[in-house]
Amino acid sequence: SAVISQKPSRDICQRGTSLTIQCQVDSQVTMMFWYRQQPGQSLTLIATANQGSEATYESGFVIDKFPISRPNLTFSTLTVSNMSPEDSSIYLCSVSWGRETQYFGPGTRLLVL
Amino acid sequence: GQQVMQIPQYQHVQEGEDFTTYCNSSTTLSNIQWYKQRPGGHPVFLIQLVKSGEVKKQKRLTFQFGEAKKNSSLHITATQTTDVGTYFCARSNFGNEKLTFGTGTRLTIIP
Repeated sequence: SAVISQKPSRDICQRGTSLTIQCQVDSQVTMMFWYRQQPGQSLTLIATANQGSEATYESGFVIDKFPISRPNLTFSTLTVSNMSPEDSSIYLCSVSWGRETQYFGPGTRLLVL
Repeated sequence: GQQVMQIPQYQHVQEGEDFTTYCNSSTTLSNIQWYKQRPGGHPVFLIQLVKSGEVKKQKRLTFQFGEAKKNSSLHITATQTTDVGTYFCARSNFGNEKLTFGTGTRLTIIP
């Protein structure tokens, strides 16, 4: 496993603004993923963050709304753009080393007013 | 990927009672993983099952993978307050590292 940190841990934002969430790992990882977890719900995969290339988005998620960067093997960012109250959620990054098991960061709790 | 359904959605048990959650898929699974998420926390990996009929134990937790590899279960014996949380199963797709999480079972313990 590894130490995974996310910033910010929580935020309250106004609608129409954007928030960038950072995910930092203390060792190089093969895969990095971004999930959304709405209150009381399961985890939904937003996208796979690919190092040095565009992220791979799941159905229902688009790059204009959730731009993702992954400049190296230890760091990724997810931006939630033009936020609305429906974007209020927990955003989680996870990592794996190619063995399918995923390890999660502590999450970013976002409230959009 | 195909959704995996879990039952029950919620379970309230008296401390010391047993607890079981079931995970069901309409398609054959390459493997199944189980995660636990404490209230206010993030999912933590518990175990991965790969073989048909596989049974694995972790102290009071017993994990089973069905013979047809379409279902799995997690059984906790003599629950304790530390078992509180939501238990998720998750499937990966053949040759793909992405996970599809089950709907989850939220366990609460009455002391």
